[in-house]
Amino acid sequence: EPEVTQTPSHQVTQMGQEVILRCVPISNHLYFYWYRQILGQKVEFLVSFYNNEISEKSEIFDDQFSVERPDGSNFTLKIRSTKLEDSAMYFCASSVQGGTGELFFGEGSRLTVL
Amino acid sequence: LAKTTQPISMDSYEGQEVNITCSHNNIATNDYITWYQQFPSQGPRFIIQGYKTKVTNEVASLFIPADRKSSTLSLPRVSLSDTAVYYCLVGDMNYGGSQGNLIFGKGTKLSVKP
Repeated sequence: EPEVTQTPSHQVTQMGQEVILRCVPISNHLYFYWYRQILGQKVEFLVSFYNNEISEKSEIFDDQFSVERPDGSNFTLKIRSTKLEDSAMYFCASSVQGGTGELFFGEGSRLTVL
Repeated sequence: LAKTTQPISMDSYEGQEVNITCSHNNIATNDYITWYQQFPSQGPRFIIQGYKTKVTNEVASLFIPADRKSSTLSLPRVSLSDTAVYYCLVGDMNYGGSQGNLIFGKGTKLSVKP
C-alpha cells in the first residue's frame, strides 16, 4: 500500500538553527500539507500546497516557515530560525483531491528545539 | 466553519460496540463529515466519510441523521488495538483545492480495556 514517508523521524536542534523536514507524498497525489502537533495537544494545520504554490496557510505559518517541492517528489518544510515553541511532531499529508477528500498522513518528524 | 463537539474520553471493553457521537450544529450544505483515528506518536488515519444517512466500510459505520447536525461513529466489537484518539471533522469537499478548513479538534480518547 502506498504511503507518505517522512525524514528524519526525530531531529534535535539548537534554538536559532535552520531545520528542513522532508516528505515524499504518495506519487499520484496532487495536494500536499503540513500539520503539527505539540505534545499532548491537537493536530494543527500549517499549510496546504497545490500546483507548486501555497493554497492556504494558518496563522502559525509565519515568515519563519517555508515549503517547497524541489524535484517533483519531495515536499519540504523549512523553519529558518527555530524557537523553543517549535518543538512538536510535524506531519506531512497528501491527497488526491482537495476539499475534504481523504488525507494520507506520514508517521511524522519529531522536532526538539533546545 | 462548522465547529464540532465530541466527548473528551470514553472507556469500553474488548468485544463491545462503541458509538462516538459528534455534534456539528452549524454544518453547511456542502460539508462532509469525516472521522480520523490517531495512535500515539503516529499521524492521523482516515476511517470513514459521509454526507448523509449511513455509510459502512470494513472498519466502521457512520450514522448521520436527516438534519445532519450530529453524526455517530460506530466501531463494532472493539479490541485493545482500537485504543486511540478519534477525531470528527466537518468540511467542504469542494473547498478551493485545499484542506485549510479541515480543523482537528481535541478528539475523543477511547480506551479499550480487557
